[in-house]
Amino acid sequence: DAGVIQSPRHEVTEMGQEVTLRCKPISGHDYLFWYRQTMMRGLELLIYFNNNVPIDDSGMPEDRFSAKMPNASFSTLKIQPSEPRDSAVYFCASSYGWNQPQHFGDGTRLSIL
Amino acid sequence: RKEVEQDPGPFNVPEGATVAFNCTYSNSASQSFFWYRQDCRKEPKLLMSVYSSGNEDGRFTAQLNRASQYISLLIRDSKLSDSATYLCVVRTAGGYQKVTFGTGTKLQVIP
Repeated sequence: DAGVIQSPRHEVTEMGQEVTLRCKPISGHDYLFWYRQTMMRGLELLIYFNNNVPIDDSGMPEDRFSAKMPNASFSTLKIQPSEPRDSAVYFCASSYGWNQPQHFGDGTRLSIL
Repeated sequence: RKEVEQDPGPFNVPEGATVAFNCTYSNSASQSFFWYRQDCRKEPKLLMSVYSSGNEDGRFTAQLNRASQYISLLIRDSKLSDSATYLCVVRTAGGYQKVTFGTGTKLQVIP
């Protein structure tokens, strides 16, 4: 069974660069979530989609962050321009139905220099 | 008040001990509840869902107290491999769906 697949696993880039994180949810799951985790703030929900439609993006920190889900099997989270304070682990998760457990990908460890 | 609160710990317990964690939530519209464990530098993994009547999975027991708005996780006969951070998750439903993770409780089981 393929789980949630995220890429890249690690990303190191200089501030000001555009960063694109990718996620493939579990097939058949209709909810997709993007989270950011830091030591200081814990796990924060950035945005979630239902059937490819963004439902709640109130957690997106600012206009530099954007997320898309062009189809049921792919989503991106983009940061442009990136800043050192964006350094964190970014997780993607998916679930089948709102009340069902979320399954997480391995995460992308992002470092902005 | 935070929407979901957990004691950050760490809880240091000897092998074989019983340990319990609580997680309080503030939104009375919360409908579904889960416990996840997260190992260092890994993704959160589902430990168990929490049902209204309480549920057990081996050494793990989860309880829900709607009146006092908290969920609990009990671990019996602690193993070294139980050392991890335990996160509670609360979801509301209805007009405004929201999911919130607690900040986690760190457990260290000591030989």
